[in-house]
Amino acid sequence: KAGVTQTPRYLIKTRGQQVTLSCSPISGHRSVSWYQQTPGQGLQFLFEYFSETQRNKGNFPGRFSGRQFSNSRSEMNVSTLELGDSALYLCASREGLDSNQPQHFGDGTRLSIL
Amino acid sequence: AQSVTQLDSQVPVFEEAPVELRCNYSSSVSVYLFWYVQYPNQGLQLLLKYLSGSTLVESINGFEAEFNKSQTSFHLRKPSVHISDTAEYFCAVSLSGGYQKVTFGTGTKLQVIP
Repeated sequence: KAGVTQTPRYLIKTRGQQVTLSCSPISGHRSVSWYQQTPGQGLQFLFEYFSETQRNKGNFPGRFSGRQFSNSRSEMNVSTLELGDSALYLCASREGLDSNQPQHFGDGTRLSIL
Repeated sequence: AQSVTQLDSQVPVFEEAPVELRCNYSSSVSVYLFWYVQYPNQGLQLLLKYLSGSTLVESINGFEAEFNKSQTSFHLRKPSVHISDTAEYFCAVSLSGGYQKVTFGTGTKLQVIP
């Protein structure tokens, strides 16, 4: 099976712009989670989607949003970009929502804000 | 809500020496515990997990972790490290049963010195 695929791998934007990141989960996985990883804050949970519904949300401003499509692929959008949004954004998928299921991560999208 | 603490942000160790990466969690109910590894420019990969049963769990590359309920710990150990073990290691905890959010520790960077 192919792993979790995130596109693009690298992205450079300027302040005030918006960006959309894409994630294709492992085939058969219906849950997709998004994380922001920075050197200072570690891994911060953004949100989790299952069957096109947001199931859980982290403590991020409304500029961060996401959605999931019927084929389980997911996108996250960040509007009005700020310098502090520079980070590695990781997507993870799992089969369902049972807490005993480990997450499978993509290699991330590295977003740099100039 | 559960929490997880990785006290050591960086651990330098000489090649072929043993290593222990510490992880402590906080929860009043049953938990599932995970260790993930992240190599440079990659996403996280599951290293091992404790769900139930034997408190000692092993990975295919020589790491092991022991669930200690009384000390609420899940430390990761390897008797002899290799250069290729240089990576960042994340401990994660989830409450057991149904849908529960996964909480990640802040990570420990293992630097193996030749």
